[in-house]
Amino acid sequence: DGGITQSPKYLFRKEGQNVTLSCEQNLNHDAMYWYRQDPGQGLRLIYYSQIVNDFQKGDIAEGYSVSREKKESFPLTVTSAQKNPTAFYLCASSTLKQVSGELFFGEGSRLTVL
Amino acid sequence: RKEVEQDPGPFNVPEGATVAFNCTYSNSASQSFFWYRQDCRKEPKLLMSVYSSGNEDGRFTAQLNRASQYISLLIRDSKLSDSATYLCVVNIIQGAQKLVFGQGTRLTINP
Repeated sequence: DGGITQSPKYLFRKEGQNVTLSCEQNLNHDAMYWYRQDPGQGLRLIYYSQIVNDFQKGDIAEGYSVSREKKESFPLTVTSAQKNPTAFYLCASSTLKQVSGELFFGEGSRLTVL
Repeated sequence: RKEVEQDPGPFNVPEGATVAFNCTYSNSASQSFFWYRQDCRKEPKLLMSVYSSGNEDGRFTAQLNRASQYISLLIRDSKLSDSATYLCVVNIIQGAQKLVFGQGTRLTINP
C-alpha cells in the first residue's frame, strides 16, 4: 500500500547529541514537509522540499537540517543546536497541483531529550 | 499576527448538539483550504476540503468567506466519536506552495 513511513516512532536522546528522523514515501509525491507539534499546539513547519536537491526553511528551521537526495526520502536531523527538541515530529507529502494541498502524514516520531 | 488563527477551545458539547467553529487567515495569497482532524497522539487526517461555494459531507459542512477571510466547520448531530482536535489548514501560494496550520480547536462531545 502507498503511504509515508516514519521511523523511529519513539526516540530518546541525551542533550548534545544529533539525531536523524527518517521519512520515506512511495506515493510519488513531489513535495515533502517536516512539522513539529508541541502539546496543545498546532503544527509548525520546519522545512519543506518541492523537488529533489532543493528545500526551503519553514518557520522554525533553526537547529534542524534536512536533505532531499531522492524523491522518496526526506530525513530530518535534529542537531544539538536545537534548544528545546522534545516534541512530536510529523513528516508529510503532497502533490503540487495548484488547487490541491491534501497532506499525507506519517504516524510521527516522538523525540524526548533526557 | 499568525497567518492562520483558531480558537483553541476546549469546546465541550453534549452528544447530539450542533457545534461550529471558525478559522481566520491573513494572507491574501491563500488559495485553498482544508479541515483536518487529529486524534490524541496521532497524525492529522484530512476531514474535508473547503470550496468557495461551501460543501457538505454527511453531518459536516464547511464554508469559505473570502471577503472576510475565514472558513468555518459545522458539525450536526454530534457523536462521541467526533471528539478530536480540528485543524484549519491554508494553502498559500507565493512562488512556492506552503501549507500553514492553525493551532487547532479541541472538541469534546459528552454523553
